[in-house]
Amino acid sequence: TQLLEQSPQFLSIQEGENLTVYCNSSSVFSSLQWYRQEPGEGPVLLVTVVTGGEVKKLKRLTFQFGDARKDSSLHITAAQPGDTGLYLCAGGRDTGNQFYFGTGTSLTVIP
Amino acid sequence: NAGVMQNPRHLVRRRGQEARLRCSPVKGHSHVYWYRQLPEEGLKFMVYLQKENIIDESGMPKERFSAEFPKEGPSILRIQQVVRGDSAAYFCASSPLRGPGELFFGEGSRLTVL
Repeated sequence: TQLLEQSPQFLSIQEGENLTVYCNSSSVFSSLQWYRQEPGEGPVLLVTVVTGGEVKKLKRLTFQFGDARKDSSLHITAAQPGDTGLYLCAGGRDTGNQFYFGTGTSLTVIP
Repeated sequence: NAGVMQNPRHLVRRRGQEARLRCSPVKGHSHVYWYRQLPEEGLKFMVYLQKENIIDESGMPKERFSAEFPKEGPSILRIQQVVRGDSAAYFCASSPLRGPGELFFGEGSRLTVL
């Protein structure tokens, strides 16, 4: 049973297009992180959101934490080939010791 | 400024052999996590360790798998009597704080069991 479901699982788009990736759960998290992982490497943290309804922007990437802190979205504007990679969301709880990682979204941006 | 160092990067073992994966955390980090990843999938939590202590091993199989993080030296994930289903990428992450906080990942160790 996967605690965090991401959609879509695979996404292939043309350079310049916009896209949104979703991370959903029936559980509440105290914080939610987004990571990007490139082939053959470990995940690298992009952002952490902790407040329900919070929106954070990182250049062309916009991250939102749902009001109920059960879901999150990542929106990329004008995607570039360098955005290609596996995007992972991860939820943390105050009472726990671990982050629960989502199923991942594999993004390919075609030049 | 060394990040998390994992070795070996690639390991091939035959069924029944032992696999030892090493992880040196970021200097000053005393919290280490091990995750397992299958191709095109997310990361599955295995174990969380602090220096000399296992804090949470709820994601680690009870048999054949063990982990340690000694006072001196790297953290080690040990898999005894490997089977084909153990083939995966194993990632180590370290954190300066007790979890959950920002995780700094290594590049992973890719185990192939023949």
